[in-house]
Amino acid sequence: GALVYQYPRRTICKSGTSMRMECQAVGFQATSVAWYRQSPQKTFELIALSTVNSAIKYEQNFTQEKFPISHPNLSFSSMTVLNAYLEDRGLYLCGARDGASSAETLYFGSGTRLTVL
Amino acid sequence: GDSVTQTEGQVALSEEDFLTIHCNYSASGYPALFWYVQYPGEGPQFLFRASRDKEKGSSRGFEATYDKGTTSFHLRKASVQESDSAVYYCALGFAQGLTFGLGTRVSVFP
Repeated sequence: GALVYQYPRRTICKSGTSMRMECQAVGFQATSVAWYRQSPQKTFELIALSTVNSAIKYEQNFTQEKFPISHPNLSFSSMTVLNAYLEDRGLYLCGARDGASSAETLYFGSGTRLTVL
Repeated sequence: GDSVTQTEGQVALSEEDFLTIHCNYSASGYPALFWYVQYPGEGPQFLFRASRDKEKGSSRGFEATYDKGTTSFHLRKASVQESDSAVYYCALGFAQGLTFGLGTRVSVFP
């Protein structure tokens, strides 16, 4: 089956510092990876959609300068939260698409919970 | 823009009760429709999807039918168990990503 691993599961950083989170797809080729932030106030916010060999598309209110993403191959992606502040708190989710099956279905990891002090 | 509305924010049931969660969508095209389930401390798990009008998706006793006429994809389960307690999300999808509803917290009591 399609498995997605995210790490770290939890991270705490000081305000103004940065942290990197990683996403690993196992058992399938992740042709696209969508990064979301889940918070109590805003449910799932799509940050960006990354497709291998294509430009990364960021949603409104999210920028490459703040959330740089790397998607170097069909099994791995990473995202960094630069200069994190309180409003960046939440559960960051990586959802990967299996290029061999249903085009829109995303398989999610357990998320990286970011706490900013 | 595209949106998904789940009518029930919270549902409390007893075991063996019938579950219905209402989901309606608004989209400019013909999206795929999804149900996901999220347990505490985990990411959302894919339950099932439907891609065309009148198609039924199902998994683990849950089912929903794509209804383009009423723009709905209501989730149903005939007999819930305590282990079904979780948050359920309806979503619509295009190539550019999934749009989720606000979720419905289901609590099943023995």
